Amino acid sequence: QKEVEQDPGPLSVPEGAIVSLNCTYSNSAFQYFMWYRQYSRKGPELLMYTYSSGNKEDGRFTAQVDKSSKYISLFIRDSQPSDSATYLCAMFTGGGNKLTFGTGTQLKVEL
Amino acid sequence: DTAVSQTPKYLVTQMGNDKSIKCEQNLGHDTMYWYKQDSKKFLKIMFSYNNKELIINETVPNRFSPKSPDKAHLNLHINSLELGDSAVYFCASSRVQGNTEAFFGQGTRLTVV
Repeated sequence: QKEVEQDPGPLSVPEGAIVSLNCTYSNSAFQYFMWYRQYSRKGPELLMYTYSSGNKEDGRFTAQVDKSSKYISLFIRDSQPSDSATYLCAMFTGGGNKLTFGTGTQLKVEL
Repeated sequence: DTAVSQTPKYLVTQMGNDKSIKCEQNLGHDTMYWYKQDSKKFLKIMFSYNNKELIINETVPNRFSPKSPDKAHLNLHINSLELGDSAVYFCASSRVQGNTEAFFGQGTRLTVV
């Protein structure tokens, strides 16, 4: 069983929908939680990061961390076709710098 | 200017060959990484260097040897390539060790035939 689990999708939604992307993890030592976005044939780019539990909002994006359930989420409001990409969750303990990634969820936002 | 650049972008080679992938970052970062992304998009760290010093070496075959001539460069040499080495290899950098934001290159798509 992988340390970080993520539904690979693909997830297809109409433009304007609210998207919910999720990851679960098993290592309770993880403290830093990140979401990366990866467009086709490109490298991942950091979208948001959260330390410990709580919510963080940035424009149309909201990241949530529930450490008690070992569950993190990324919500995208008013989704756009330009949001079509693979979204990877990532996390690390803070003691070292090894990022552990989920497998990524492929999102397609259709007109 | 590209922040993290790696060459080549595509590499097709036969089994048994030796090949190198080069990576350079112009961000002034101290830490550089090599990641492997398989066909299912799973991204796994291979190596990490901090100021030219190897600090993470995951369970990677000895055929893979990273080299960091200076903190702006981290190259990856692969000996005796195997079919299973086919993947996309990403170079990345972060400002310091343990920094939350890693900047990734565009990737090198390696196909071993």
